[in-house]
Amino acid sequence: GIQVEQSPPDLILQEGANSTLRCNFSDSVNNLQWFHQNPWGQLINLFYIPSGTKQNGRLSATTVATERYSLLYISSSQTTDSGVYFCAVLSNFGNEKLTFGTGTRLTIIP
Amino acid sequence: EADIYQTPRYLVIGTGKKITLECSQTMGHDKMYWYQQDPGMELHLIHYSYGVNSTEKGDLSSESTVSRIRTEHFPLTLESARPSHTSQYLCASSSLWSDGYTFGSGTRLTVV
Repeated sequence: GIQVEQSPPDLILQEGANSTLRCNFSDSVNNLQWFHQNPWGQLINLFYIPSGTKQNGRLSATTVATERYSLLYISSSQTTDSGVYFCAVLSNFGNEKLTFGTGTRLTIIP
Repeated sequence: EADIYQTPRYLVIGTGKKITLECSQTMGHDKMYWYQQDPGMELHLIHYSYGVNSTEKGDLSSESTVSRIRTEHFPLTLESARPSHTSQYLCASSSLWSDGYTFGSGTRLTVV
C-alpha cells in the first residue's frame, strides 16, 4: 500500500516563530488532507489539498503532486497551535481508504 | 449544523463487558469509517462502510464488529472488552462526491 512519511517527528518552537511541516508519499494520490489533533484528541480538518496551494489565516499548504510531497506552513505560531499534525492521503489506485502518516508533534512555548 | 457525533466521549469499563460506541452523522454521507489510535500515534483503519448494509474490515485487525442499518448511523461493538482494547476510537465520514473526511470527537476507551 501507499507509504506516508512526515517530518520532522517533533518540533519545539517559541511563540511567534514560523514552521514548515513536510509530508512525502510513495504513490499518486487523488486526496490529501492535513489535520490538527488537539490535546483532547479531536482531529480538525485544516486543508483538503490534493494539488496546488491554499491559505487559511496563518496557515497555508502546498501540494506538488508530481513530486509526491506536501508542505504545511504555520506563521506567527501561537500556543493553541500545539498538538499533532497529520497528513493523510488517498491513493489513485485501489482501496479508496485514507492512509495517515505518523504525524509531527508541535509544541509552542510561550 | 451538519456534523458527526460520537458517544460516549470517555468510557471506563471492566474486562469482559460488552460495549457499543455510537457514531452518527447529519451530512448524508455514504461512506463511514472507524479508526483506532493509541495516544500520539498514527491512526489505523479498522472498519469502513460505503453505504447501508455495506461493511468491510480495515487494515488493522480488530475484534470489534460494526453495522450500517441506516445511512447516518455506524455503531461499533466489542462483545467482550479486554485491556488490549484500551485506545481512542475515531469515527469519520465522507461523501461519494467529495473525498474530504470529517472526523468525530472520538471515544477514549479504557478497559480495566
